[in-house]
Amino acid sequence: DIQLTQSPSFLSASVGDRVTITCRASQGISNYLAWYQQKPGKAPKLLIYAASTLQGGVPSRFSGSGSGTEFSLTISSLQPEDFATYYCQQPHSYPLTFGQGTRLEIK
Amino acid sequence: QMQLLESGPGLVKSSETLSLTCTVSGGSITGTSYSWGWIRRPPEMGLEWIGNVYYTGGTEYNPALRSRATLSVDTSRNQFSLTLSSATAADTAVYYCARYMFGSSFDSWGQGTLVTVSS
Repeated sequence: DIQLTQSPSFLSASVGDRVTITCRASQGISNYLAWYQQKPGKAPKLLIYAASTLQGGVPSRFSGSGSGTEFSLTISSLQPEDFATYYCQQPHSYPLTFGQGTRLEIK
Repeated sequence: QMQLLESGPGLVKSSETLSLTCTVSGGSITGTSYSWGWIRRPPEMGLEWIGNVYYTGGTEYNPALRSRATLSVDTSRNQFSLTLSSATAADTAVYYCARYMFGSSFDSWGQGTLVTVSS
C-alpha cells in the first residue's frame, strides 16, 4: 500500500499569509495526486488533481506542485473561507489512500 | 450537474449489518471513465477509503475492510450500495459516496450521512 504523510498536521496562520502543505508518498507515484478541502459538516471538495491541475471553479490562489514522492499545496494569500482541513490522496494504485489531513486554523 | 445522495439508517446495532445506498442524479452511473466509491470519516479522524464499484459490478476494496464490505450497483435505478457486516463502534463515521475518475480523483461527492453503531 502507498502511505501518504502530510506535514504539518496542524497549521495556524493569518488572513493574507502564504501557506504550504506537503504530502510525501511512500513510493513514487509520478503526478498521481489530488488535494481536497473539507470544512466542518461538509463533504470534501476537490481542489487539485494530477498534482497541479486546478479543478474548475477553484480560486487561483490555490496551486499544487511536485511529482514522484514529494508534493505540495500552496495557498498564496489566505482568505477567511480557506480555514479548513486539507487532504492529499493518491489515485496511482489500489488501495486508494489519503493523507492524515492538515488542519488549518486562524491565528 | 451531477448530484449524489446517501441514504440509510443512521443507527445500527453492534454486530448487525450497516447498509447504505447512493442515488446518482444529473448523470448516468454507466459511464466508462469512472467508478463509484465510498469513503468514511470517523469522529476526530481522517478520511478512509472503503471501496469502489464499476457499473458492470467490478469492485475494489480497502484490504482492511474487504472481509466485511460488499459493494453493488443497480443501473436501472442509478444507484450503488454499501453493506458492512458485523458492525462495531469503530464503524461509527460519516459515510460519503463519490464519483471516482480513473487515475485522477473523487470529483463529485454526496453530502455525507452519519452512521452510529451502538452497543
